[in-house]
Amino acid sequence: EAGVAQSPRYKIIEKRQSVAFWCNPISGHATLYWYQQILGQGPKLLIQFQNNGVVDDSQLPKDRFSAERLKGVDSTLKIQPAKLEDSAVYLCASSLEVSLHYEQYFGPGTRLTVT
Amino acid sequence: GQQLNQSPQSMFIQEGEDVSMNCTSSSIFNTWLWYKQDPGEGPVLLIALYKAGELTSNGRLTAQFGITRKDSFLNISASIPSDVGIYFCAGQKMDSSYKLIFGSGTRLLVRP
Repeated sequence: EAGVAQSPRYKIIEKRQSVAFWCNPISGHATLYWYQQILGQGPKLLIQFQNNGVVDDSQLPKDRFSAERLKGVDSTLKIQPAKLEDSAVYLCASSLEVSLHYEQYFGPGTRLTVT
Repeated sequence: GQQLNQSPQSMFIQEGEDVSMNCTSSSIFNTWLWYKQDPGEGPVLLIALYKAGELTSNGRLTAQFGITRKDSFLNISASIPSDVGIYFCAGQKMDSSYKLIFGSGTRLLVRP
């Protein structure tokens, strides 16, 4: 079974530029998550989708971050404009409900460096 | 905000030794997950725990869901060099979002 796919793997941009990340979840997984992982920390949830609807975006900086999941499969996360503090690894995860418990499976991440 | 206290922050051990790490929280969780993350990769799920008191093994790894539902531990027996990495605990909240809260990680280094 193919895992969660993400692209690009690495991105370097200057502050105030825009950037977009793409995620393809595991086939059949209805729930998709975007996390931000700053060096030395655990992942922090940015947004959660159930099919193509948003379940939780309480920690998404909505003035500069946006995400969509058209058709309930692939998803994109955009940052516009980027700030230096956005340098981090952006992880996508997906899950399939298993007896009301959601085991999340992660992609390899996109490492963003803002200069 | 919600926090998990994971300890120790790092461990440097001799190959063959056993390892123990734990996570505690002030809140109750209905699921505990343990992940391992290698450099440049995403976290990989090692063990999932669903019931208070549950003890689950995956090869040389054993994890337990604390009775109070506020803690969990992970043990690695007879460590080998490929155990090197960062281990994260994650607790799943008891609400409709099933949000995962991650600990800050335990960095494990194994000396051959």
